[in-house]
This record gives sequence, C-alpha cells and structure tokens, in this order.
Amino acid sequence: NAGVTQTPKFQVLKTGQSMTLQCAQDMNHNSMYWYRQDPGMGLRLIYYSASEGTTDKGEVPNGYNVSRLNKREFSLRLESAAPSQTSVYFCASAYASAYNEQFFGPGTRLTVL
Amino acid sequence: GIQVEQSPPDLILQEGANSTLRCNFSDSVNNLQWFHQNPWGQLINLFYIPSGTKQNGRLSATTVATERYSLLYISSSQTTDSGVYFCAVGGSQGNLIFGKGTKLSVKP
Repeated sequence: NAGVTQTPKFQVLKTGQSMTLQCAQDMNHNSMYWYRQDPGMGLRLIYYSASEGTTDKGEVPNGYNVSRLNKREFSLRLESAAPSQTSVYFCASAYASAYNEQFFGPGTRLTVL
Repeated sequence: GIQVEQSPPDLILQEGANSTLRCNFSDSVNNLQWFHQNPWGQLINLFYIPSGTKQNGRLSATTVATERYSLLYISSSQTTDSGVYFCAVGGSQGNLIFGKGTKLSVKP
C-alpha cells in the first residue's frame, strides 16, 4: 500500500514553461486535493475533486488547471509557469470529503526561475 | 471563512521535556487533524480528532469542539520530534484549512 504518491519530487522550470504534476492514490478514496505550501505558511487549497468526474476551484486556483483522470489519479498543470508559483505542492486524498481524514503525498518542490 | 490560530509559533525544548501546543478555530468544524511536518518536508498524520481525546504513545490530543480549541501534548520529547506541527480543520469545500504551525526544536 503506497498511499498517496507524487511525481516528480523536484522540478526547476523557466518562466513560461509548462509542466504537469502527477498524483495517484491506492486507498480507493473518492476525494482528491491539490495544495501549495509557501515558506512559513500552512497549506492552501488550489483545486479539488470531490469525486471522479468533478473538479472545483479552491482558494488559489489562478495559473493552474487540473484533471481527474480516473478514481486513482489527479494531475495539476501549470500552463505558463511564473516565479510566484515557486512552492511545494502537496496532493491529498480522503474517502469522502468533509468528515474524513485526509492523507498527504510526499510533495513536489517546484522552483520557477 | 474559518480562521485557525496556533500557539506558540516557536518552541524550544530540552530533550525529555513536555509541551502543549494549542489550536483555536473560529467556527464549528466537522474535521480536525494534527500533522507533524518533519525536516524533510513530509506531512505525517498524527491525529484525526474532531472531538474528544486520543493518545498515541508519547503524544495525545484533546479537542473541545464546543469551545473551539484543540490541544496537542508531547511528553518526554525527543530530538526526532523536531519540526513543524500543524493543526487543520475542515472547510466548506471538504478541504483542510491550516494554521501557520508551531515550529518545535528539541535540543539534546
């Protein structure tokens, strides 16, 4: 049981480049989330997917898109990276939404030059 | 939206000491979790505790939902306890709303 996995672990981009962060969970969870963590801060929600086939914006969605590929996988895409998107990105999952414990992946450390 | 405040922001302990971390939240919640973020950045689930008391080894947590606070107790601290402790509560979108954390440093 791997839990929540994320790829890549580290990435350096130049301004304007695009990339996709991948997330997968093997716990048969319905809900999946993307957060970002900036220095000295807690995590903030970018996008979430309450169930397969649905996605919704969170607190800081600008500059990002998501795809819920199937029940297991939820990807985050940066179409044109900006230095303000330098952050650590965490994917999480939960069985349902509000009442259930969330589990986090190991994170992707992204630097945009 | 719900506000989450953690105190103290920083804590330095000698190995073997005990500590209490506090989390206050501004509205009723249906989910409350405590996490430890280790020096490598990994978020480790400590407790899922929307109400009541739980214990796991040297750690225990209590949430008093009616008074909108939660406490995390660390007893006989070890250097491996160092890192940042986050409290997070359930938001309206099913997400977690995080406090800014308590940075704990345990000295040998």
